[in-house]
Amino acid sequence: SQTIHQWPATLVQPVGSPLSLECTVEGTSNPNLYWYRQAAGRGLQLLFYSVGIGQISSEVPQNLSASRPQDRQFILSSKKLLLSDSGFYLCAWNSGRVSGEQYFGPGTRLTVT
Amino acid sequence: DQQVKQNSPSLSVQEGRISILNCDYTNSMFDYFLWYKKYPAEGPTFLISISSIKDKNEDGRFTVFLNKSAKHLSLHIVPSQPGDSAVYFCAASSPYGGATNKLIFGTGTLLAVQP
Repeated sequence: SQTIHQWPATLVQPVGSPLSLECTVEGTSNPNLYWYRQAAGRGLQLLFYSVGIGQISSEVPQNLSASRPQDRQFILSSKKLLLSDSGFYLCAWNSGRVSGEQYFGPGTRLTVT
Repeated sequence: DQQVKQNSPSLSVQEGRISILNCDYTNSMFDYFLWYKKYPAEGPTFLISISSIKDKNEDGRFTVFLNKSAKHLSLHIVPSQPGDSAVYFCAASSPYGGATNKLIFGTGTLLAVQP
């Protein structure tokens, strides 16, 4: 069966510090991968998606970047965090079929102070 | 522009009764719709989906109804249980997204099932 991992689970970082969040998927190959953010009291906003190694598409202009160095690894990064980067970050995958379910990881709670 | 809308931020229901969660969309190109359940500090869990070629899909206590002419879908939970208390998100996708299979999410409805 497929599983998706995210770490760390929680993170408190000062403004201006770098960020690296990691997501890995097990039990599948060549998945589509996604990064979402849920700000307090808000819905799920798609930040980045990837259909293959090295292929990254950004949905919204922002202070963050993403990379996919391996087939089942997706990394969310920032060089300098802003207060507005605080939120709950979720990684998701799907099999790549057109119109299919996405499966989410447990999430990372990021607080920028 | 919010293409998927959940106009009720919260809903309270008595245990054993029916919960009805609603969702509206504006893009007629959407052809696949999903419902997710989310507990605090956890990732969303897929519940049930429906293709635009159907108007109803049922899975145990959960039934999703789709009214394409009204661009409206709803999730019925019968009977409601206290463990159903969570935030429910509806989502939609379009075949024109190609292999990306991007989902557009609503803002969620917080369901509270009272014992």
